[in-house]
Amino acid sequence: DAGITQSPRHKVTETGTPVTLRCHQTENHRYMYWYRQDPGHGLRLIHYSYGVKDTDKGEVSDGYSVSRSKTEDFLLTLESATSSQTSVYFCAISESGQGLDEQFFGPGTRLTVL
Amino acid sequence: AQTVTQSQPEMSVQEAETVTLSCTYDTSESDYYLFWYKQPPSRQMILVIRQEAYKQQNATENRFSVNFQKAAKSFSLKISDSQLGDAAMYFCAHLGGNKLVFGAGTILRVKS
Repeated sequence: DAGITQSPRHKVTETGTPVTLRCHQTENHRYMYWYRQDPGHGLRLIHYSYGVKDTDKGEVSDGYSVSRSKTEDFLLTLESATSSQTSVYFCAISESGQGLDEQFFGPGTRLTVL
Repeated sequence: AQTVTQSQPEMSVQEAETVTLSCTYDTSESDYYLFWYKQPPSRQMILVIRQEAYKQQNATENRFSVNFQKAAKSFSLKISDSQLGDAAMYFCAHLGGNKLVFGAGTILRVKS
């Protein structure tokens, strides 16, 4: 299994509070991604990173920010959580971002915003 | 923007039988990849099979095969000799320009 961990695995928070989710990899892959999974939508890309300090927006980036100061860590921050951000969040990594390189997914973080 | 549509929210198959999951997509990319991912109740995302758009030959992986119809933008997954362990949510996905776009998923139930 690819070495990807996510923390925390579960979190319950209140509306308006800041939340940071962490993705850590031991594979030294260049690309890292954050997705959210909601019923009826599959997984949707929030942000991704193609190197240290290099990030880009995905399909559903509003209300989220990311940072990558080290190759192995990719942080997702909800500056002021809302109930619509209740979801399961997945981190993924890939070596080149191209189709021949598989995206490996972390175990997911279930976030509940009350 | 790329879109992926899975029109079957849920499917059932008898153990040892064959089932086909449907997927259609729309893309502006000339070079892209298509995938099927499996998500069991553990939530772990597992790559089942991959198809490169420039290859006409349909991909196969053991009991899993695809029917890739590029002109029709169709990418179905066939599971042969279905097993209880195949029960899961299956997602079709399109990769173009470094971004992976998923369909809404199909729940596959396997009956013993």
